[in-house]
Amino acid sequence: AQSVTQLDSQVPVFEEAPVELRCNYSSSVSVYLFWYVQYPNQGLQLLLKYLSGSTLVKGINGFEAEFNKSQTSFHLRKPSVHISDTAEYFCAVTLSSNTGKLIFGQGTTLQVKP
Amino acid sequence: DADVTQTPRNRITKTGKRIMLECSQTKGHDRMYWYRQDPGLGLRLIYYSFDVKDINKGEISDGYSVSRQAQAKFSLSLESAIPNQTALYFCATSAPFGKGVWDTGELFFGEGSRLTVL
Repeated sequence: AQSVTQLDSQVPVFEEAPVELRCNYSSSVSVYLFWYVQYPNQGLQLLLKYLSGSTLVKGINGFEAEFNKSQTSFHLRKPSVHISDTAEYFCAVTLSSNTGKLIFGQGTTLQVKP
Repeated sequence: DADVTQTPRNRITKTGKRIMLECSQTKGHDRMYWYRQDPGLGLRLIYYSFDVKDINKGEISDGYSVSRQAQAKFSLSLESAIPNQTALYFCATSAPFGKGVWDTGELFFGEGSRLTVL
């Protein structure tokens, strides 16, 4: 069965600094990968997804992620964060052969400080 | 109006009470899900339904039941609530990947129902 591990529960960073949120997955078969963001008191919304093709995926709000099959990772990056990026971020995986079930990581809280 | 609507948004109840959380969607998706969010644990799948007649248990279904009343409606019930069911519950929908150019397996979430069991 597939699983997802987000390596950091909290990431504090100063405004305008770069940030990387780490995600590793475990699966013996082909997967699709997602990053979702949850702003305070809201539901989750999609940031970006990797289905196939280019391993560098660009999403909304200036975020990007790189799929690394050999390291089974899908780390999320942003070159310069804003206060408004403060939120919880979730990495998720689903089997490419059956996209019905999305398995989520534990979440990483990004705290952007002025 | 939101595409995925959950009611109630907040509920406080007592141990042993029966609780129903309701979800309705206007996205026209066949697949609906109930997830539970706990701090430090992420989201865990409780139940999922690929169509009205297809309901499946997720990883933490004990103590929960569901009803798919229509394509657009999927309810989660706690028959006898207990304090460790205190959590934030999310309903979500999706369309099967490849069914159409707009379908990517992506989940669309409601805003959540916060349940507190005393």
